[in-house]
Amino acid sequence: GAGVSQSPSNKVTEKGKDVELRCDPISGHTALYWYRQSLGQGLEFLIYFQGNSAPDKSGLPSDRFSAERTGGSVSTLTIQRTQQEDSAVYLCASSGRGSSYNEQFFGPGTRLTVL
Amino acid sequence: AQSVTQPDIHITVSEGASLELRCNYSYGATPYLFWYVQSPGQGLQLLLKYFSGDTLVQGIKGFEAEFKRSQSSFNLRKPSVHWSDAAEYFCAVGLRGTSGTYKYIFGTGTRLKVLA
Repeated sequence: GAGVSQSPSNKVTEKGKDVELRCDPISGHTALYWYRQSLGQGLEFLIYFQGNSAPDKSGLPSDRFSAERTGGSVSTLTIQRTQQEDSAVYLCASSGRGSSYNEQFFGPGTRLTVL
Repeated sequence: AQSVTQPDIHITVSEGASLELRCNYSYGATPYLFWYVQSPGQGLQLLLKYFSGDTLVQGIKGFEAEFKRSQSSFNLRKPSVHWSDAAEYFCAVGLRGTSGTYKYIFGTGTRLKVLA
């Protein structure tokens, strides 16, 4: 596709369940970023990938959060034992290399609601 | 620690009026600077960016921003606001990390309301 896609667009889950959020970056983009946007908050950086490795995981809020990227393409953000405070919009972005000025392209987000 | 501050959470302007959204950053060097817009139910769209050179940068939709090193600011402006500009605006800094990629820090956003 032409842009970054994310699935599902909406996810409602019960507290304590695990969820997986998927991001499909723009083809050829080597960098991939996950952010969380809570109501009334800015974008909170979670993790980014360069290829399949994650040089910076500093933003993951707890060990319930993990992410992986395989084949240098699709990434999955997993939240285990979800809590109500995990409710937010999870945004994915990707950027390419070759230019010194990497512009991020954002997906539409996954709205997660934990009941 | 690096940070981005958008002091105005909400701004309301009348259609046709001028607009200025403030952004201040804290960083040891001159970072890469960005403004994004997020319309309701939409993803983030890049309005403009500054890396070096001319401190006044032009973006899409008639927006411009001026980098002022002495004030660590990168304020977004538009001379005449349109109703379709109602959205949330985010300022961001890009910090170069390893492997030639960048970590981005976003401000908390300014929500713009436009009165007819």
